[in-house]
Amino acid sequence: EAGVAQSPRYKIIEKRQSVAFWCNPISGHATLYWYQQILGQGPKLLIQFQNNGVVDDSQLPKDRFSAERLKGVDSTLKIQPAKLEDSAVYLCASSFQLAGALRSSYNEQFFGPGTRLTVL
Amino acid sequence: DAKTTQPNSMESNEEEPVHLPCNHSTISGTDYIHWYRQLPSQGPEYVIHGLTSNVNNRMASLAIAEDRKSSTLILHRATLRDAAVYYCIDTSYGKLTFGQGTILTVHP
Repeated sequence: EAGVAQSPRYKIIEKRQSVAFWCNPISGHATLYWYQQILGQGPKLLIQFQNNGVVDDSQLPKDRFSAERLKGVDSTLKIQPAKLEDSAVYLCASSFQLAGALRSSYNEQFFGPGTRLTVL
Repeated sequence: DAKTTQPNSMESNEEEPVHLPCNHSTISGTDYIHWYRQLPSQGPEYVIHGLTSNVNNRMASLAIAEDRKSSTLILHRATLRDAAVYYCIDTSYGKLTFGQGTILTVHP
């Protein structure tokens, strides 16, 4: 089966510019996640969608970051304006089962290859 | 925020077993332990998960201590393709919270 698709794979922008990342999850997956991974660290969850609704955006810097999943399928993450500290890999993941199911059942997350953002 | 503790790095020789330890002393009785790994320049991939019993799959085995405060991921015969960062994840609040993981180096 096709995996999680992300584009672009690489992006270089200057600080204060805007940037958008796109993610297409695995077909049929209800839950979609955006993670930020700074060099040398593990991924950090930014936002979690279940279908087209937000489940958790507690770690999303809402003054500059926004995300949407309008039709419950693909998703866009935007940064406006970008700061130097936003340089990172942005990972999208999807899972079949409902969010919060990790306590009682298997809920494997499938990750895309990521978008490497460099802010100069 | 990660609730697990892992060694920063480990080394192994090809075709030898590898035991990757993890401490998760604050895990609740109903939270699963998940292991993911991240190969260079790729997104993380699922390895294995468990609650109380030892678990086996085609990739690895997971040995969970009786008190559930620690676990060990076992790669039975390491290959060069197993060189990656291995994350042990306590799934509190129903989500994956990654720590820094263990960098596994496999020598030919």
